[in-house]
Amino acid sequence: NAGVTQTPKFQVLKTGQSMTLQCAQDMNHEYMSWYRQDPGMGLRLIHYSVGAGITDQGEVPNGYNVSRSTTEDFPLRLLSAAPSQTSVYFCASSYERGRGTEAFFGQGTRLTVV
Amino acid sequence: QQQVKQSPQSLIVQKGGISIINCAYENTAFDYFPWYQQFPGKGPALLIAIRPDVSEKKEGRFTISFNKSAKQFSLHIMDSQPGDSATYFCAASGTYKYIFGTGTRLKVLA
Repeated sequence: NAGVTQTPKFQVLKTGQSMTLQCAQDMNHEYMSWYRQDPGMGLRLIHYSVGAGITDQGEVPNGYNVSRSTTEDFPLRLLSAAPSQTSVYFCASSYERGRGTEAFFGQGTRLTVV
Repeated sequence: QQQVKQSPQSLIVQKGGISIINCAYENTAFDYFPWYQQFPGKGPALLIAIRPDVSEKKEGRFTISFNKSAKQFSLHIMDSQPGDSATYFCAASGTYKYIFGTGTRLKVLA
C-alpha cells in the first residue's frame, strides 16, 4: 500500500516555464488537496477536490490549476512559474467527506523557481 | 477568515521535560482537531487527534487538552525525548477543509 505518491521530489524551473506536479493515492479517498509550505507560514491550501470532476479553490489558488479526472490522481499545474512559487508542495488525501478525518500526506515536492 | 493560531513558533526543552504547544481556532463548525508531526524532508503525519465531544485524549506520552468554550486546544508531550525533535502543526477540520496552524519547531536537548 503506497499511500500518497508525489513526483517529482525536486524540481528547478525558470521563470515563465510551466510544469505539472503529480499526485496519486491508492486508498480510494474522495478528498484530495494541495498545500504549499513556506517558512513561518505553515501549510496553506491551494486547491482541493471532493471527488472526481469536482475541484475548488483554497486560500492561495492564484497561478495554479488542478483537475480531477479520476479518484486516484490530482495533478497541480503551474502555468507560468514565478519566483514567489518557490516552496515545498504537499499533496494530501482523506476518506470521509463532510466531516474532518485524518489526512495522509505525500513526501513533498521541493520546487525552486529561478 | 478562518484561522488557527499556534504558539510558540519554536520551543527548546530538556530531555525528560514537558513540551506544550497551544492552538486557538475561530470557527465553531470545526469537528476534528488533529496534531501532525513533521520531520525534515518528510510529509506531515498524524500524531494524535480529538473531537469536540471530549476534553482530553491521551496516547502514550502525547496528550491533547481541548477547551470548547475557549476554542483552544493544546498538545502536551510528557518525558520529551530527542527523537521528538520535529515541527508540530495543529489543525482544525470540518466540511471539506483543513486549516493548519503555522507550526512549532521543537528541539529536545539530550
